[in-house]
Amino acid sequence: GAGVSQSPSNKVTEKGKDVELRCDPISGHTALYWYRQRLGQGLEFLIYFQGNSAPDKSGLPSDRFSAERTGESVSTLTIQRTQQEDSAVYLCASSPSSGQGGEPQHFGDGTRLSIL
Amino acid sequence: AQRVTQPEKLLSVFKGAPVELKCNYSYSGSPELFWYVQYSRQRLQLLLRHISRESIKGFTADLNKGETSFHLKKPFAQEEDSAMYYCALKMGAQKLVFGQGTRLTINP
Repeated sequence: GAGVSQSPSNKVTEKGKDVELRCDPISGHTALYWYRQRLGQGLEFLIYFQGNSAPDKSGLPSDRFSAERTGESVSTLTIQRTQQEDSAVYLCASSPSSGQGGEPQHFGDGTRLSIL
Repeated sequence: AQRVTQPEKLLSVFKGAPVELKCNYSYSGSPELFWYVQYSRQRLQLLLRHISRESIKGFTADLNKGETSFHLKKPFAQEEDSAMYYCALKMGAQKLVFGQGTRLTINP
């Protein structure tokens, strides 16, 4: 079946604008993760969903960042009043569950966000 | 603090030579470790995980708890192995903590 789908693939916006990034996980995957990758750096964890609830929001860098998930499916990551340091690739991943057992996370292609 | 360190940002070897990508971790719990790979113009994908003790595309990685390492090895590198490699530590049941990645280039 289809993998994790993210949209848009690229987003260029002006500083101060709000942006919304979308993630469609693999069907049936209950766990969903958002990561950020700045240029030349590794992936930073942002937030994790189990179903529609977010037990771990510890990676969200500021209160300008928020995320929600509905119907145990689509998730949106919203960044308000964007700043230049928000420029990065935002990656979404999903897995069948968050339980123990080494279940791998499946990644989307990411959204490349550029703040002018 | 939980951390994954990949000391080499860039690694270049000749085709047919052995390759080893280093990964060290810091974690007080029982670690679950993974190697992810990103080929040019492709998405990040799982290469292997330590609990499976498998060999994928000729790559193996052994968890060494004494040295807190999970180095990725292949005895004979191939040109198609050129990619970005990330070591990742799963913390509890949730997030992955990634190293900064190693760009592997296999020279013909």
